[in-house]
Amino acid sequence: EPEVTQTPSHQVTQMGQEVILRCVPISNHLYFYWYRQILGQKVEFLVSFYNNEISEKSEIFDDQFSVERPDGSNFTLKIRSTKLEDSAMYFCASAPASSGNTIYFGEGSWLTVV
Amino acid sequence: GEDVEQSLFLSVREGDSSVINCTYTDSSSTYLYWYKQEPGAGLQLLTYIFSNMDMKQDQRLTVLLNKKDKHLSLRIADTQTGDSAIYFCAETLTGTASKLTFGTGTRLQVTL
Repeated sequence: EPEVTQTPSHQVTQMGQEVILRCVPISNHLYFYWYRQILGQKVEFLVSFYNNEISEKSEIFDDQFSVERPDGSNFTLKIRSTKLEDSAMYFCASAPASSGNTIYFGEGSWLTVV
Repeated sequence: GEDVEQSLFLSVREGDSSVINCTYTDSSSTYLYWYKQEPGAGLQLLTYIFSNMDMKQDQRLTVLLNKKDKHLSLRIADTQTGDSAIYFCAETLTGTASKLTFGTGTRLQVTL
């Protein structure tokens, strides 16, 4: 069964460093998302991406964050100048079409900022 | 804004039925989902229901939706130890490109 894959599964980075989290969505999907889950808290929406542009973003997704689909298969989340509070599990997700369709999540990338 | 709430913890005995409840605030929810998260793992889509339905059954899983009360439940029949996990309900609203709003998650513990 096709699945969303994410790398790395775990990354430790120093505060102030840049991090890139990578995702390979399911191949025929058109909508891509990043969510995050701070330990013990709710899963929170960060950003949705369609047709090579951001379609919606939350207030969490400030100028520190950016997304890119560089080559038609990968979907990346870049976090510039990481802060301690960026430590979280970051989930990539994809869906074949907009609202009403099933949204599949990857296994997550656990980011620890020290 | 939208808000989704769940009870934090549920303990059941193996073989019994589990019922996990969820309430949401926004009446323009179109789809409601249940996801399962095992320790250290990702979010596994279990099932979803469209807002014009009131029930959906899928093997051991039954989803009930009371749109008037904005209440969603997930019933797991014959609960097994492998069902131990955190269960999240989530909703999407019309016109938000499938942005999901998640509940707090319910930790299901299955005891022998």
